[in-house]
Amino acid sequence: GAGVSQSPSNKVTEKGKDVELRCDPISGHTALYWYRQSLGQGLEFLIYFQGNSAPDKSGLPSDRFSAERTGGSVSTLTIQRTQQEDSAVYLCASNRAGVTYNEQFFGPGTRLTVL
Amino acid sequence: AQSVAQPEDQVNVAEGNPLTVKCTYSVSGNPYLFWYVQYPNRGLQFLLKYITGDNLVKGSYGFEAEFNKSQTSFHLKKPSALVSDSALYFCAVRPSPGSGNTGKLIFGQGTTLQVKP
Repeated sequence: GAGVSQSPSNKVTEKGKDVELRCDPISGHTALYWYRQSLGQGLEFLIYFQGNSAPDKSGLPSDRFSAERTGGSVSTLTIQRTQQEDSAVYLCASNRAGVTYNEQFFGPGTRLTVL
Repeated sequence: AQSVAQPEDQVNVAEGNPLTVKCTYSVSGNPYLFWYVQYPNRGLQFLLKYITGDNLVKGSYGFEAEFNKSQTSFHLKKPSALVSDSALYFCAVRPSPGSGNTGKLIFGQGTTLQVKP
């Protein structure tokens, strides 16, 4: 596609439920990143994919958070047993690998609200 | 610890006046520096980056930024502000690959720019 797309754009869920957030990166971008934007914490890195592997998971806040990427393209971020503090905008970004100074291209985000 | 600071939560400027949004960083090695802008309910849009070379870099929408290694700063500037520049601005740093960085960006807290007519 022309840009990074994310779905859903908004998700409202009840505490304790599981949610899945989807990211479709720009075609040909092998590097994919997830970030979280929240009022109290600003923009935080969550996880980085190179192809289908995740060499950097250092930003995942707890074991309730996991992510996978299949076919070197679409990625899914899963949050299990959601808590109210998980409410945030989840942003996905991608860029080409091998050019370390490339800017990252961001999607519009998924706004998650946990009631 | 690696960090980015944007000391101003909000910057107010009159249309037509010059604007500056401040950013300082603390990382090991030679960092790559970026500015992004976020309009309401939108993702982040890339404005400009500093990798190496000339300390003054020019980017989209008439914005520019000056890299100052001794002061570890990367302030965003524009000679003449527009009302449409009103948005949330983020400074970000990517530590150089030699420091073990995998490409993640470290962001400042963001600065809201308000340009009044």
